[in-house]
Amino acid sequence: GQSLEQPSEVTAVEGAIVQINCTYQTSGFYGLSWYQQHDGGAPTFLSYNALDGLEETGRFSSFLSRSDSYGYLLLQELQMKDSASYFCAVPYSGGGADGLTFGKGTHLIIQP
Amino acid sequence: DGGITQSPKYLFRKEGQNVTLSCEQNLNHDAMYWYRQDPGQGLRLIYYSQIVNDFQKGDIAEGYSVSREKKESFPLTVTSAQKNPTAFYLCASSRGPGLRDQPQHFGDGTRLSIL
Repeated sequence: GQSLEQPSEVTAVEGAIVQINCTYQTSGFYGLSWYQQHDGGAPTFLSYNALDGLEETGRFSSFLSRSDSYGYLLLQELQMKDSASYFCAVPYSGGGADGLTFGKGTHLIIQP
Repeated sequence: DGGITQSPKYLFRKEGQNVTLSCEQNLNHDAMYWYRQDPGQGLRLIYYSQIVNDFQKGDIAEGYSVSREKKESFPLTVTSAQKNPTAFYLCASSRGPGLRDQPQHFGDGTRLSIL
């Protein structure tokens, strides 16, 4: 089966930079996605990496190293509204549009 | 605005009762999904459907059933065989097969509790 490991909780200060790590085990690799979920809300898509390297989207960046089965989400200029849970995910069985296997999520706490 | 609508927002089930959760999308997406989320946990895939009249089991399909008679709709039935149904249920959709980089769009979820 597939599995993803990420820290359960990370604490950071408003205005700072924080990195949320994710390591994965899959039978084949078809990309790593990141989602954000505020308490009680719907997950929203943040980024997708299929190739090694850094993808930047505004204050958020995502990095992938396929040789290390590792990725991370980098959040810069932290704002209080970034307090949420962040999930890494991989395709369920490798095919397109076949669902996702999620990590258990990292709860990001931002202090003023 | 296009989106995914889940109803009801809260649902209570009695012992031995089947309940159906509604999921409707107007994004013209081919693929739809159902996930279950327990407190402090990640999402787990229940069922997914890549096209109309076709669906596949995910990791935790036992005790659940689905149908996909229309592109816009993907209802989930929680049967009495599901012994621990209390959870937050999320429906999602994406453009379709062969598109691994397509994001999934989620509804606001249904919270199911046992009376």
